[in-house]
Amino acid sequence: DIQMTQSPSSLSASVGDRVTITCRASRAIHTNLAWYQQTPGKVPKLLISAASTLQSGVPSRFSGSGSGTDFTLTISSLQPEDVATYYCQKYDSVSWTFGQGTKVDLK
Amino acid sequence: QLVQSGAEVRKPGESLKISCQASGPGFSNYWIGWVRQLPGKGLEWMGIIYPSDSDTRYSSSFQGQVTISADRSIDTAYLHWSSLKAADTAMYYCLRLVFGVFYWGQGTLVTVSS
Repeated sequence: DIQMTQSPSSLSASVGDRVTITCRASRAIHTNLAWYQQTPGKVPKLLISAASTLQSGVPSRFSGSGSGTDFTLTISSLQPEDVATYYCQKYDSVSWTFGQGTKVDLK
Repeated sequence: QLVQSGAEVRKPGESLKISCQASGPGFSNYWIGWVRQLPGKGLEWMGIIYPSDSDTRYSSSFQGQVTISADRSIDTAYLHWSSLKAADTAMYYCLRLVFGVFYWGQGTLVTVSS
């Protein structure tokens, strides 16, 4: 199975900071990568698919990049409502594996 | 849209099947999967099924522990346990991949306790 490794596992940042979360696949996955945001008690919300396609209604401060094995989720200016856990997910017709998650909170 | 069955409480050793009904056309032609979230933990992919031919893939962590199936006549996917354990207590989500976009069900809370 392809493994997905996120880093860091948690981070603290101030409002307005630029935040970067990375996700590394154990083998190349082209751009078959999604990013989610989850707050406690809620269903995960899809932010980005195909590594860089922002979903409708998602603020433009979120962006995704990468291909192959290395991917990045960037929040250009952290807002209080962005406090959440973020997950990457690899997908194809074989598996839909998640990273272990990155918890983002306010400093 | 995906609508999951309601919360369940079972005893260890009991069986359980939870469901996920899809609305909209093309049920057979899109992969549907199941995800587990243990209390306070991350998302774990369990397996996926392609309803058109019932091609099913399991995570190595869940192979042999659960069974995923689908009934094309009622646009519904299922997750089945033959013998539950306390460690199966979790929230379970179904999700469907349509043209590169994931749609999620609302989740089904399964509690296994004696």
